[in-house]
Amino acid sequence: SSELTQDPAVSVALGQTVRITCQGDSLRSYYASWYQQKPGQAPVLVIYGKNNRPSGIPDRFSGSSSGNTASLTITGAQAEDEADYYCNSRDSSGNHLLFGGGTKLTVL
Amino acid sequence: QVQLVQSGAEVKKPGASVKVSCKASGYTFTNYDISWVRQAPGQGLEWMGWISVYNGNTNYAQKLQGRVTMTTETSTSTAYMEMRSLRSDDTAVYYCARGDYGSGTYYLDYWGQGTLVTVSS
Repeated sequence: SSELTQDPAVSVALGQTVRITCQGDSLRSYYASWYQQKPGQAPVLVIYGKNNRPSGIPDRFSGSSSGNTASLTITGAQAEDEADYYCNSRDSSGNHLLFGGGTKLTVL
Repeated sequence: QVQLVQSGAEVKKPGASVKVSCKASGYTFTNYDISWVRQAPGQGLEWMGWISVYNGNTNYAQKLQGRVTMTTETSTSTAYMEMRSLRSDDTAVYYCARGDYGSGTYYLDYWGQGTLVTVSS
């Protein structure tokens, strides 16, 4: 398969923990990276590799992977975390990149 | 600090071509790839292709093969994306992003601000 599948929308209560998942065959071979995008802004990398955060990304963001599923977990979600989240990895051939369809996170 | 600064918005007629630029600063330009990603209004991210700035090798998304060309100019640290035979469904914000390898993955760690390309008759 050459697709990454994400749930279209997820909600979380303020301060609670939420997990956003991404499924695809290529994730058996490659780790995912995760991007946060707020309206009218460019995407921002939040997690890459097994569980790496770029400088400036809060430690409430973490990543994990099992089989064909990658997950982004936000522990103690804040209002400012409300955004679209996209997963991304190489495809199974390794020659192209794939993006998931995105998950809209609502913080209640 | 690393910055990718893109050229301004464009309005094109169907069948025309567009060339978007992406000027990099704050790092050694030849040490990283550049990917191009687009986003149609209200839609998700779509990877278009990448170019190795080091050797000029390219890899394009299959659906865009033959219509897109990615190049770089190392003397000015600028990457370019040209798309031909534009259609209305090419209307999107086009992003350049720096690509890096590490920790068992390939990721896009810095992004340009985006360039809106509108295709309309």
